[in-house]
Amino acid sequence: EIVLTQSPGTLSLSPGERATLSCRASQSVSSSYLAWYQQKPGQAPRLLIYGASSRATGIPDRFSGSGSGTDFTLTISRLEPEDFAVYYCQQYGSSPPKTFGQGTKVEIK
Amino acid sequence: EVQLVESGGGLVKPGGSLRLSCAASGFTFSSYSMNWVRQAPGKGLEWVSSISSSSSYIYYADSVKGRFTISRDNAKNSLYLQMNSLRAEDTAVYYCARANGDYDAFDIWGQGTMVTVSS
Repeated sequence: EIVLTQSPGTLSLSPGERATLSCRASQSVSSSYLAWYQQKPGQAPRLLIYGASSRATGIPDRFSGSGSGTDFTLTISRLEPEDFAVYYCQQYGSSPPKTFGQGTKVEIK
Repeated sequence: EVQLVESGGGLVKPGGSLRLSCAASGFTFSSYSMNWVRQAPGKGLEWVSSISSSSSYIYYADSVKGRFTISRDNAKNSLYLQMNSLRAEDTAVYYCARANGDYDAFDIWGQGTMVTVSS
């Protein structure tokens, strides 16, 4: 089973700042089947990034993903007020389980 | 509008059973793999189960294997999760989610249904 470890647990930043979130896998994630989701309180998760670096439909270009193998990064270039939320990475390769990381909370400083 | 709507959650005693449903609309349900994901109060996301478009491939998390059964009825555009032998640790919001046909990430999510296991 692939374990995903996200860091930091909490990121305290101000609007306009750059956010860099990390997701490290315990073994290589095949074919970059790595996704990032955003979740706000009381809402379902929303897909941001798939295939490690492709933005989902309707996602602003301030969100970008990078990485391969075991190290992946979600970058938010300039934080907007609506970006303060919890972010999860997930590996969704063909072999289950399709594990999630424990999440990184991006909070207003 | 592409939409998933879960139902069937509620309060159940330990050892009891519950059946969750997820009604799909706005897309060709029979063409997509589907998933259940849960989130315990104040905790992160946990993948629970997946089913392929024709039900040929079914997978479960170890935490629910042998107790939960995923199924689908493509004629009714519906996904199900039969949950037996429920435990307190199964208390969570349960989401159904579609796996995108091109890239398999979970691109459409329902609003979730709450399951509480308590005596």
